[in-house]
Amino acid sequence: DSGVTQTPKHLITATGQRVTLRCSPRSGDLSVYWYQQSLDQGLQFLIQYYNGEERAKGNILERFSAQQFPDLHSELNLSSLELGDSALYFCASSAGGGSSYGYTFGSGTRLTVV
Amino acid sequence: AQKVTQAQTEISVVEKEDVTLDCVYETRDTTYYLFWYKQPPSGELVFLIRRNSFDEQNEISGRYSWNFQKSTSSFNFTITASQVVDSAVYFCALRISTGGFKTIFGAGTRLFVKA
Repeated sequence: DSGVTQTPKHLITATGQRVTLRCSPRSGDLSVYWYQQSLDQGLQFLIQYYNGEERAKGNILERFSAQQFPDLHSELNLSSLELGDSALYFCASSAGGGSSYGYTFGSGTRLTVV
Repeated sequence: AQKVTQAQTEISVVEKEDVTLDCVYETRDTTYYLFWYKQPPSGELVFLIRRNSFDEQNEISGRYSWNFQKSTSSFNFTITASQVVDSAVYFCALRISTGGFKTIFGAGTRLFVKA
């Protein structure tokens, strides 16, 4: 157990729907990162939050949004889902927000859009 | 632009062989961090090593070793006496501070170790 908890582990939903993925960081970690892993795009950085504030943004679609709450858990909201959004979504956490901190990854949420 | 290239898509070896996974990176930042992660068939991402740009000392951890060479922008990973349990996808990653502290991953190398 890495200490980073992601729920749900699996999600199957229809096109056009909206889903929320949840991440609880490792105890004491202030930063949360979201990554998307798909077969054709590999691991793509989506967004980072540090202590409740957005710190860095990657290739995140406008249909996707995220936030980090005061208790430091984070949610990734995916709306108007398309078949191409099917992927493994990872959350990672680190103690700080800077480049020197190592990541701890959760086990991922596998999203299937049908 | 920042980029990580893992040219080997798949490698297949027989148990007990040594295998080297290549990683070449590109960045203009002078301060950066390099990582290797392992993704076994179960899907989770497991951190293996972190190396900062100012530390070119090679590292050995059991059967794993890493060779960091700034002159060639490479951070290669060698598994000695491979085992079936080493079968996984291995990702090399680069973290910079420019534009936010995001980590850029290579496409991964899938390693098959046959008994």
